Amino acid sequence: QVQLVQSGAEVKKTGASVKVSCKASGYTFTNYAMHWVRQAPGQRPEWMGWINTGNGITKYSQKFQGRVTITRDTSASTAYMELSSLRSEDTAIYFCARAGFRFGQLQFDPWGQGTLVTVSS
Amino acid sequence: DIQMTQSPSSLSASVGDRVTITCRASQSISSYLNWYQQKPGKAPKLLIYSASSFQSGVPSRFSGSGSGTDFTLTISSLQPEDFATYYCQQSYSTPWTFGQGTKVEIK
Repeated sequence: QVQLVQSGAEVKKTGASVKVSCKASGYTFTNYAMHWVRQAPGQRPEWMGWINTGNGITKYSQKFQGRVTITRDTSASTAYMELSSLRSEDTAIYFCARAGFRFGQLQFDPWGQGTLVTVSS
Repeated sequence: DIQMTQSPSSLSASVGDRVTITCRASQSISSYLNWYQQKPGKAPKLLIYSASSFQSGVPSRFSGSGSGTDFTLTISSLQPEDFATYYCQQSYSTPWTFGQGTKVEIK
């Protein structure tokens, strides 16, 4: 079955960077884009960006432009999200989510299990 | 950015109740609207896409409707496993945005 498995929880200092991985299985990795969404405690999910896993082209939310980098390793069927210049407000659970398209519309399905990133000084 | 607003933010209901959650977009998004269910400590799960289409495996007690700016998620007969937080999400334009969520709790 389609599965996305993410790397484990991280604790980082303010100003540091974090890189989260998302390993896909159960489907052809390069046939579906991968998105990253984060959710701060008690908050709504927030879309960060996505990568075309076939050609590597990325698009980021303006909010994170300049701080986020999404990459992929097709040989490992894995996508990565790196966030730099971390601040306390970046404490959140970070999810990868596969893009689906039906009726020409985007859905996020399935999602990875989430990776908790805690930022403290 | 398109703002998504859900109401209510929380509700208490009993097993067997009919529950309705509303989602409003700040501009017309046609039918570019998805609904997700999230349980504590878990990732969101897609329930409804394109405003009214069922994701495979989702029980028929869930239904979605609406277009333009106003949308509704209905649970026809609430079951114990339905107690969760529900989010709407627009897929009309980037950045893709979510509602603030509706927490469905046991009365």
